Amino acid sequence: DTEVTQTPKHLVMGMTNKKSLKCEQHMGHRAMYWYKQKAKKPPELMFVYSYEKLSINESVPSRFSPECPNSSLLNLHLHALQPEDSALYLCASSRNDREAYEQYFGPGTRLTVT
Amino acid sequence: GNSVTQMEGPVTLSEEAFLTINCTYTATGYPSLFWYVQYPGEGLQLLLKATKADDKGSNKGFEATYRKETTSFHLEKGSVQVSDSAVYFCALDTGNQFYFGTGTSLTVIP
Repeated sequence: DTEVTQTPKHLVMGMTNKKSLKCEQHMGHRAMYWYKQKAKKPPELMFVYSYEKLSINESVPSRFSPECPNSSLLNLHLHALQPEDSALYLCASSRNDREAYEQYFGPGTRLTVT
Repeated sequence: GNSVTQMEGPVTLSEEAFLTINCTYTATGYPSLFWYVQYPGEGLQLLLKATKADDKGSNKGFEATYRKETTSFHLEKGSVQVSDSAVYFCALDTGNQFYFGTGTSLTVIP
């Protein structure tokens, strides 16, 4: 099973709302990633969790807050977002982040901030 | 630094035409190379990979060969179908970080 699941598929939220995106994998991978993708652009790395610890934060604004409750789950908590944060948010996982392994991506959450 | 350069799109081909999407890279050490495909409204799917020089990755009729001498990993398919219409991303992994190319949009017309 090489599946990464993400919920919800679509999310519309106001600038004062608080919401969370969820990601799950059962491949035993120890690295998990959040990416942001704008239309017609490649994914931009936001966060990397390695063995359930945050290892990379690509200078992401604090209105995005990641959480890794266990090795299979990854959340992204959203608060006070701006319209320019509207994008496709992709979760990915790989065996680990210390060697060159492929990343497996989920289908993404399409976020619209109104 | 490390980077991936992909040919600019969009690319439009007729069904059964031959496809080449160029990808070159700059990297220290011995990266692994990947092609990902993204269909409209979906996430990225791994299409193929190669982990060392002269390796050929292949899947669903697509092929790419890891050429260290030319630092290239060009994607090819002998006969494209309408269902191959998507955005294709070349990527490399140095073991420390993943780098994506800018993506090439392919449209195949009947």
